[in-house]
Amino acid sequence: KNEVEQSPQNLTAQEGEFITINCSYSVGISALHWLQQHPGGGIVSLFMLSSGKKKHGRLIATINIQEKHSSLHITASHPRDSAVYICAVIRGSQGNLIFGKGTKLSVKP
Amino acid sequence: EAGVTQSPTHLIKTRGQQATLRCSPISGHTSVYWYQQALGLGLQFLLWYDEGEERNRGNFPPRFSGRQFPNYSSELNVNALELEDSALYLCASSLELDVGYTFGSGTRLTVV
Repeated sequence: KNEVEQSPQNLTAQEGEFITINCSYSVGISALHWLQQHPGGGIVSLFMLSSGKKKHGRLIATINIQEKHSSLHITASHPRDSAVYICAVIRGSQGNLIFGKGTKLSVKP
Repeated sequence: EAGVTQSPTHLIKTRGQQATLRCSPISGHTSVYWYQQALGLGLQFLLWYDEGEERNRGNFPPRFSGRQFPNYSSELNVNALELEDSALYLCASSLELDVGYTFGSGTRLTVV
Protein backbone atom coordinates (compact mmCIF):
# COMPACT_ATOMS: atom_id res chain seq x y z
CA LYS A 1 0.00 0.00 0.00
CA ASN A 2 1.30 3.43 -0.93
CA GLU A 3 2.07 5.79 1.91
CA VAL A 4 0.18 8.56 0.09
CA GLU A 5 -3.08 7.78 -1.65
CA GLN A 6 -5.01 10.19 -3.85
CA SER A 7 -8.52 10.04 -5.22
CA PRO A 8 -9.83 10.18 -7.77
CA GLN A 9 -7.11 9.20 -10.24
CA ASN A 10 -8.89 10.96 -13.08
CA LEU A 11 -11.49 13.68 -12.94
CA THR A 12 -13.41 15.37 -15.72
CA ALA A 13 -15.46 18.43 -14.90
CA GLN A 14 -17.44 21.09 -16.71
CA GLU A 15 -16.26 24.66 -16.51
CA GLY A 16 -17.63 26.32 -13.39
CA GLU A 17 -17.96 23.16 -11.31
CA PHE A 18 -16.63 22.84 -7.77
CA ILE A 19 -13.86 20.26 -7.64
CA THR A 20 -12.47 18.25 -4.73
CA ILE A 21 -9.36 16.10 -4.77
CA ASN A 22 -8.59 13.97 -1.74
CA CYS A 23 -5.33 12.79 -0.22
CA SER A 24 -4.84 10.27 2.58
CA TYR A 25 -1.53 9.31 4.11
CA SER A 26 -0.49 6.56 6.46
CA VAL A 27 2.68 7.98 8.00
CA GLY A 28 3.48 10.70 10.47
CA ILE A 29 4.24 13.89 8.65
CA SER A 30 5.61 17.33 9.37
CA ALA A 31 3.95 18.98 6.36
CA LEU A 32 1.87 18.26 3.28
CA HIS A 33 2.19 19.84 -0.13
CA TRP A 34 -0.22 20.22 -2.99
CA LEU A 35 1.55 20.48 -6.34
CA GLN A 36 0.34 21.18 -9.85
CA GLN A 37 2.02 19.64 -12.89
CA HIS A 38 1.16 20.81 -16.38
CA PRO A 39 1.66 18.65 -19.50
CA GLY A 40 5.12 20.13 -20.14
CA GLY A 41 6.27 18.60 -16.87
CA GLY A 42 6.97 21.69 -14.81
CA ILE A 43 5.75 21.54 -11.22
CA VAL A 44 4.33 24.42 -9.24
CA SER A 45 3.93 24.26 -5.50
CA LEU A 46 0.39 25.39 -4.67
CA PHE A 47 0.26 24.98 -0.91
CA MET A 48 2.23 23.71 2.03
CA LEU A 49 0.12 22.80 5.05
CA SER A 50 0.82 21.53 8.51
CA SER A 51 -2.60 22.34 9.96
CA GLY A 52 -5.93 23.95 9.18
CA LYS A 53 -6.77 25.58 5.91
CA LYS A 54 -5.18 27.80 3.29
CA LYS A 55 -6.77 29.74 0.45
CA HIS A 56 -5.25 31.26 -2.66
CA GLY A 57 -7.60 32.65 -5.24
CA ARG A 58 -9.98 29.88 -6.29
CA LEU A 59 -7.93 27.20 -4.57
CA ILE A 60 -8.51 26.01 -1.02
CA ALA A 61 -6.52 23.34 0.78
CA THR A 62 -7.43 21.76 4.10
CA ILE A 63 -5.73 19.22 6.29
CA ASN A 64 -6.93 17.10 9.20
CA ILE A 65 -3.85 15.81 11.00
CA GLN A 66 -5.81 13.46 13.28
CA GLU A 67 -7.54 11.79 10.33
CA LYS A 68 -4.40 11.95 8.13
CA HIS A 69 -6.39 13.48 5.32
CA SER A 70 -6.17 16.55 3.13
CA SER A 71 -8.38 17.97 0.42
CA LEU A 72 -7.76 20.38 -2.42
CA HIS A 73 -10.79 22.30 -3.63
CA ILE A 74 -11.11 24.35 -6.80
CA THR A 75 -14.05 26.71 -7.00
CA ALA A 76 -15.48 27.91 -10.32
CA SER A 77 -13.19 25.58 -12.28
CA HIS A 78 -11.75 26.73 -15.59
CA PRO A 79 -10.14 24.85 -18.51
CA ARG A 80 -6.78 26.35 -17.54
CA ASP A 81 -7.03 24.39 -14.27
CA SER A 82 -6.53 21.21 -16.32
CA ALA A 83 -3.39 19.59 -14.97
CA VAL A 84 -2.19 16.80 -12.73
CA TYR A 85 -2.55 17.62 -9.04
CA ILE A 86 -0.13 15.84 -6.74
CA CYS A 87 -0.24 15.45 -2.99
CA ALA A 88 3.14 15.03 -1.29
CA VAL A 89 4.18 14.69 2.33
CA ILE A 90 7.36 15.28 4.31
CA ARG A 91 8.17 12.73 6.99
CA GLY A 92 9.82 14.38 9.94
CA SER A 93 13.49 15.06 9.37
CA GLN A 94 13.80 13.02 6.20
CA GLY A 95 13.51 16.14 4.09
CA ASN A 96 12.37 14.56 0.88
CA LEU A 97 8.82 14.51 -0.40
CA ILE A 98 6.79 11.31 -0.71
CA PHE A 99 4.32 11.66 -3.54
CA GLY A 100 0.88 10.41 -4.32
CA LYS A 101 0.30 9.18 -7.85
CA GLY A 102 -1.56 12.33 -8.81
CA THR A 103 -5.05 13.24 -9.97
CA LYS A 104 -5.44 14.14 -13.62
CA LEU A 105 -8.02 16.90 -13.90
CA SER A 106 -9.61 17.88 -17.17
CA VAL A 107 -12.00 20.83 -17.19
CA LYS A 108 -14.18 21.07 -20.29
CA PRO A 109 -15.47 24.41 -21.56
CA GLU B 1 14.69 36.44 -8.46
CA ALA B 2 15.76 33.56 -10.68
CA GLY B 3 14.00 30.27 -10.03
CA VAL B 4 15.51 26.82 -9.90
CA THR B 5 17.32 26.26 -13.18
CA GLN B 6 18.12 22.88 -14.66
CA SER B 7 20.30 21.99 -17.61
CA PRO B 8 20.16 20.61 -20.14
CA THR B 9 16.45 20.65 -20.93
CA HIS B 10 16.73 17.50 -23.00
CA LEU B 11 19.44 14.86 -23.11
CA ILE B 12 19.73 11.84 -25.35
CA LYS B 13 22.23 9.15 -24.44
CA THR B 14 23.06 5.65 -25.53
CA ARG B 15 22.66 2.68 -23.20
CA GLY B 16 25.83 2.21 -21.16
CA GLN B 17 26.89 5.87 -21.34
CA GLN B 18 26.95 8.33 -18.46
CA ALA B 19 24.65 11.31 -18.05
CA THR B 20 25.26 14.46 -16.02
CA LEU B 21 22.37 16.70 -15.06
CA ARG B 22 22.79 20.08 -13.39
CA CYS B 23 20.68 22.15 -11.03
CA SER B 24 21.08 25.65 -9.67
CA PRO B 25 18.87 26.38 -6.67
CA ILE B 26 17.22 29.64 -5.80
CA SER B 27 19.74 32.04 -4.30
CA GLY B 28 19.98 31.40 -0.58
CA HIS B 29 18.49 27.91 -0.71
CA THR B 30 20.90 25.39 0.74
CA SER B 31 18.94 22.19 0.12
CA VAL B 32 18.64 20.52 -3.28
CA TYR B 33 16.44 17.52 -4.00
CA TRP B 34 16.44 15.27 -7.06
CA TYR B 35 13.37 13.36 -8.20
CA GLN B 36 12.71 10.97 -11.06
CA GLN B 37 9.42 10.77 -12.94
CA ALA B 38 9.43 7.85 -15.35
CA LEU B 39 6.73 7.68 -18.00
CA GLY B 40 3.44 6.62 -16.48
CA LEU B 41 4.87 6.52 -12.98
CA GLY B 42 4.71 8.93 -10.11
CA LEU B 43 7.53 11.03 -8.79
CA GLN B 44 10.21 9.13 -6.92
CA PHE B 45 12.75 10.65 -4.54
CA LEU B 46 16.37 10.21 -5.61
CA LEU B 47 18.73 12.33 -3.51
CA TRP B 48 18.77 15.16 -1.00
CA TYR B 49 21.79 17.42 -0.55
CA ASP B 50 22.13 20.06 2.11
CA GLU B 51 25.15 22.19 2.92
CA GLY B 52 27.27 20.11 0.59
CA GLU B 53 26.42 16.76 2.12
CA GLU B 54 24.14 13.92 1.06
CA ARG B 55 21.39 13.81 3.68
CA ASN B 56 19.08 11.13 2.32
CA ARG B 57 18.86 8.77 -0.58
CA GLY B 58 15.93 7.06 -2.26
CA ASN B 59 15.70 3.45 -3.34
CA PHE B 60 17.92 3.72 -6.41
CA PRO B 61 21.07 1.79 -7.34
CA PRO B 62 24.54 3.25 -6.65
CA ARG B 63 24.99 4.19 -10.30
CA PHE B 64 22.78 7.16 -9.43
CA SER B 65 25.01 9.60 -7.61
CA GLY B 66 25.53 13.28 -7.23
CA ARG B 67 27.15 16.07 -5.38
CA GLN B 68 26.52 19.58 -4.16
CA PHE B 69 29.04 22.33 -4.74
CA PRO B 70 30.02 25.15 -2.35
CA ASN B 71 27.65 27.51 -4.20
CA TYR B 72 24.84 24.98 -3.48
CA SER B 73 24.38 24.01 -7.11
CA SER B 74 24.18 20.29 -7.69
CA GLU B 75 24.94 17.59 -10.21
CA LEU B 76 23.18 14.30 -10.70
CA ASN B 77 25.24 11.60 -12.40
CA VAL B 78 23.78 8.44 -13.82
CA ASN B 79 26.36 5.82 -14.85
CA ALA B 80 25.90 2.78 -17.06
CA LEU B 81 22.62 4.10 -18.41
CA GLU B 82 19.79 1.67 -18.92
CA LEU B 83 16.72 2.12 -21.08
CA GLU B 84 14.49 2.37 -18.02
CA ASP B 85 16.45 5.42 -16.84
CA SER B 86 14.56 7.39 -19.47
CA ALA B 87 12.53 9.86 -17.44
CA LEU B 88 11.97 13.44 -16.43
CA TYR B 89 14.44 14.39 -13.71
CA LEU B 90 13.28 17.23 -11.51
CA CYS B 91 15.32 19.27 -9.11
CA ALA B 92 13.82 21.25 -6.25
CA SER B 93 15.34 23.57 -3.69
CA SER B 94 14.33 24.86 -0.31
CA LEU B 95 15.81 27.02 2.41
CA GLU B 96 15.17 24.51 5.17
CA LEU B 97 12.90 21.64 6.12
CA ASP B 98 9.18 22.35 6.14
CA VAL B 99 9.59 25.50 4.09
CA GLY B 100 8.15 25.59 0.60
CA TYR B 101 9.89 23.85 -2.22
CA THR B 102 10.54 25.37 -5.64
CA PHE B 103 10.89 23.03 -8.58
CA GLY B 104 12.91 23.42 -11.72
CA SER B 105 11.46 22.65 -15.14
CA GLY B 106 13.29 19.36 -15.35
CA THR B 107 15.67 17.53 -17.64
CA ARG B 108 14.13 14.95 -19.92
CA LEU B 109 16.62 12.12 -20.32
CA THR B 110 16.12 9.65 -23.13
CA VAL B 111 18.25 6.52 -23.27
CA VAL B 112 18.35 4.76 -26.63
